[in-house]
Amino acid sequence: DTAVSQTPKYLVTQMGNDKSIKCEQNLGHDTMYWYKQDSKKFLKIMFSYNNKELIINETVPNRFSPKSPDKAHLNLHINSLELGDSAVYFCASSQSTGTRGTGELFFGEGSRLTVL
Amino acid sequence: AQSVAQPEDQVNVAEGNPLTVKCTYSVSGNPYLFWYVQYPNRGLQFLLKYITGDNLVKGSYGFEAEFNKSQTSFHLKKPSVLVSDSALYFCAVRGGGADGLTFGKGTHLIIQP
Repeated sequence: DTAVSQTPKYLVTQMGNDKSIKCEQNLGHDTMYWYKQDSKKFLKIMFSYNNKELIINETVPNRFSPKSPDKAHLNLHINSLELGDSAVYFCASSQSTGTRGTGELFFGEGSRLTVL
Repeated sequence: AQSVAQPEDQVNVAEGNPLTVKCTYSVSGNPYLFWYVQYPNRGLQFLLKYITGDNLVKGSYGFEAEFNKSQTSFHLKKPSVLVSDSALYFCAVRGGGADGLTFGKGTHLIIQP
């Protein structure tokens, strides 16, 4: 069984469209994340949810909206897609202990978004 | 704000030779340090972490890393590399109460047969 699974793996769409990426983890973790990896392979955190509560919201355009229906799922919806949104988006999860988690992040395989 | 520096974009090593991939960090408070590996078109795989205790941490696939507090470094090492170790390696830090990991820009490891 895949620990952190993302769908779709590839997404090609036109500028201005709206798209969603889904993520599910079966590790029983309480924290989930979205990271963006650009064409230079640089990884930047976008959002983090702990038990369905948003705890990290980095400087990301408000066209990006995360939704966590339960602690095993964290979806990413993107409105009005732009060329610069083309990237690989990674979902990850971890188990936090206390106020600071010590656990490592487990990553999904990524969703490659191409905006034409 | 926390940050990670990986000064080498690429490291070339002959198969069978030892490896060091450099990483330095900046964080307030005690650092939690991690190394990940990424193969082409794949997600990141966890290799090892330092939270506390022994400065030499052993991880997956024969990799280890040495934590040096005075030099704020966490270099990745392997005594003898394989061609299959060729990949992109990321150092990451968590600290200062933050929950997410901050990643370095990555170091491409090229193993020559």
